[in-house]
Amino acid sequence: SAVISQKPSRDICQRGTSLTIQCQVDSQVTMMFWYRQQPGQSLTLIATANQGSEATYESGFVIDKFPISRPNLTFSTLTVSNMSPEDSSIYLCSVGEASGSADTQYFGPGTRLTVL
Amino acid sequence: GDSVTQMEGPVTLSEEAFLTINCTYTATGYPSLFWYVQYPGEGLQLLLKATKADDKGSNKGFEATYRKETTSFHLEKGSVQVSDSAVYFCALSRAGRRALTFGSGTRLQVQP
Repeated sequence: SAVISQKPSRDICQRGTSLTIQCQVDSQVTMMFWYRQQPGQSLTLIATANQGSEATYESGFVIDKFPISRPNLTFSTLTVSNMSPEDSSIYLCSVGEASGSADTQYFGPGTRLTVL
Repeated sequence: GDSVTQMEGPVTLSEEAFLTINCTYTATGYPSLFWYVQYPGEGLQLLLKATKADDKGSNKGFEATYRKETTSFHLEKGSVQVSDSAVYFCALSRAGRRALTFGSGTRLQVQP
């Protein structure tokens, strides 16, 4: 499976600022996704990062708040803009690998964000 | 839409006890089913998967069987260890929606 790294691993930020999270994969992958895990909660998909085109956002998430870049098949960034304490979460990127009839997703270690 | 329902936690067991964590799903078509595990302070790790009806996924002593007739994918282990203490997530994906739909997660606590 692909090896996925994220930077930073954690950060503490002030209200109103922005943070960009990087996701790097050691091989080219077709599918990349960004998820949010709020404290004590399950994972919610933010968007699908599309290489060479705009990301596809889920209901409740907008580009102005969570701009995403995907310049190539091994790298993506997620920015959390104009942060508030409600944005305190773990942000995870995942990559999808097709194997036969199944798509299996593997996750990065996550970025733990605290907004004061 | 797609959904995954897991049993409420926390589940507290003694070491060497038998584990079952229930998972049922609703989805159109024929989804693939997954169990992920999240150890304290870490990201998600794929535990096992099954891609079609009656498939059994297994890994590290854990098993789950894809039951289409009951739309279930219950996780089992015959003898849990303290090191199994973690949060377990059931999830599905399907053609047409590659992203995962997760259940709410079940926290397992194993006591010595």
